[in-house]
Amino acid sequence: EIVLTQSPGTLSLSPGERATLSCRASQSVSNSYLAWYQQKPGQAPRLLIYGASTRATGIPDRFSGSGSGTDFTLTISRLEPEDFAVYYCQRYGHSPTFGQGTRLEIK
Amino acid sequence: QVQLVQSGAEVKKPGSSVKVSCRSSGGTFSSYPISWVRQAPGQGLQWMGGIIPIFRTANYAQKFQGRVTITADESTSTVYMELSSLTSEDTALYYCARGDAGSELDYWGQGTLVTVSS
Repeated sequence: EIVLTQSPGTLSLSPGERATLSCRASQSVSNSYLAWYQQKPGQAPRLLIYGASTRATGIPDRFSGSGSGTDFTLTISRLEPEDFAVYYCQRYGHSPTFGQGTRLEIK
Repeated sequence: QVQLVQSGAEVKKPGSSVKVSCRSSGGTFSSYPISWVRQAPGQGLQWMGGIIPIFRTANYAQKFQGRVTITADESTSTVYMELSSLTSEDTALYYCARGDAGSELDYWGQGTLVTVSS
């Protein structure tokens, strides 16, 4: 089973700043089958990015995904107040697994 | 627009089973896969399994093999997840979502809280 490790565990930033979240896989993720989700308290996860870099429908362009192989990154170019949440990466394609999450909090 | 609406919260005794439903509206129910993902309190996400209703064949994560059963009723556009031999470790929010092992999960239900307590 591929293990996904997200870093940092918690990221403290201010609105307007740039956020860079990392997701590292224990083995290469084939076909860039890597997704990112945002989860706010009391809500279901929301798909942001799939295929490592394709934004889901309705996702603002301040969210971008990059990477391949074992190293992937979610970047939020300019943080808005509503972006503070927990972010998960997910590998799909076979026996899906999720990372443990990165909490993005207001500094 | 696909909407997934789940059944309400459940409280179960250890050793019993729970069956959670997920009713779909919008889209073509039979042709798109539905997965189940669980989230223990304060924890991350765990994929449990999924089904494509038109094929009526489910696949399961190894961790839940033998204890989870996912079925679909095309007449009501509803997918069910039944988990047996419950323990306190099964206390969690259970989500259904559109997608399967081979795809991203693009629409999610609101979640169903299952509490296992004696």
